[in-house]
Amino acid sequence: DGGITQSPKYLFRKEGQNVTLSCEQNLNHDAMYWYRQDPGQGLRLIYYSQIVNDFQKGDIAEGYSVSREKKESFPLTVTSAQKNPTAFYLCASSIRAFNYGYTFGSGTRLTVV
Amino acid sequence: KQEVTQIPAALSVPEGENLVLNCSFTDSAIYNLQWFRQDPGKGLTSLLLIQSSQREQTSGRLNASLDKSSGRSTLYIAASQPGDSATYLCAVNNNNDMRFGAGTRLTVKP
Repeated sequence: DGGITQSPKYLFRKEGQNVTLSCEQNLNHDAMYWYRQDPGQGLRLIYYSQIVNDFQKGDIAEGYSVSREKKESFPLTVTSAQKNPTAFYLCASSIRAFNYGYTFGSGTRLTVV
Repeated sequence: KQEVTQIPAALSVPEGENLVLNCSFTDSAIYNLQWFRQDPGKGLTSLLLIQSSQREQTSGRLNASLDKSSGRSTLYIAASQPGDSATYLCAVNNNNDMRFGAGTRLTVKP
C-alpha cells in the first residue's frame, strides 16, 4: 500500500537538544511538506520541497531545518533555536507542488521535557 | 493572503441527522479546495478534492460543494453516524499557497 510514514509517533526533547522527525513516502510524489499543528489553530507550513535537493521556507521556518536528498524522504530537524517546539507535526506529499491533492502521514507529537 | 474560516468550531448532533459544515475563504481565485477528516491524535485523511472548475464532489454519504464567487464551500454529511465524530478541516489552494481552516469538531451522539 502506498502512503506516508512518520516516525516516531511520540518524541520527547530536552532543553537545548536537536531532534529529527522522519517522513518517508512511497507514492512517487515530487512535493513534500512539513506542517505544525497547535490546538485550535489551522496547520502552519514550516518547509516544503518541490523536488529532490531543493526546499523552501514556509511561514514558520525559524528554528527548523530540513533536507531532501532522496525523493522518498524529507526529514525535519527541530533545533534548540525553536523556543516553543511542543506541537503535533504533520508531513504531507502531493504529485506536484501545491496544485494537487495532499496526502498526510499520521503525525509526530513532540513534547519538551 | 488567503484566510480560511470554519464556523462553528464545534458541533454536536444526534445520530441520523443530516448536517452541513461550512468553510469560507477570502480570495476567490482558488485552484482547488480539499476537505479532510482528522481523528484525535491522528493525521489528516482526505475526503474530497474539488477543482476550481467543479461545483461539487460526492463520495458515499459526503457531498462537498464549491461557490467561488461567494468564497464558500460546504460539506454535507447525510445520515450521520457516531463513527463520523472527528474534526473536519478544509484547505484552500491558491496556486503555490495552501491554507487550512482551524476545523470543525463534530460529535455525533448515539
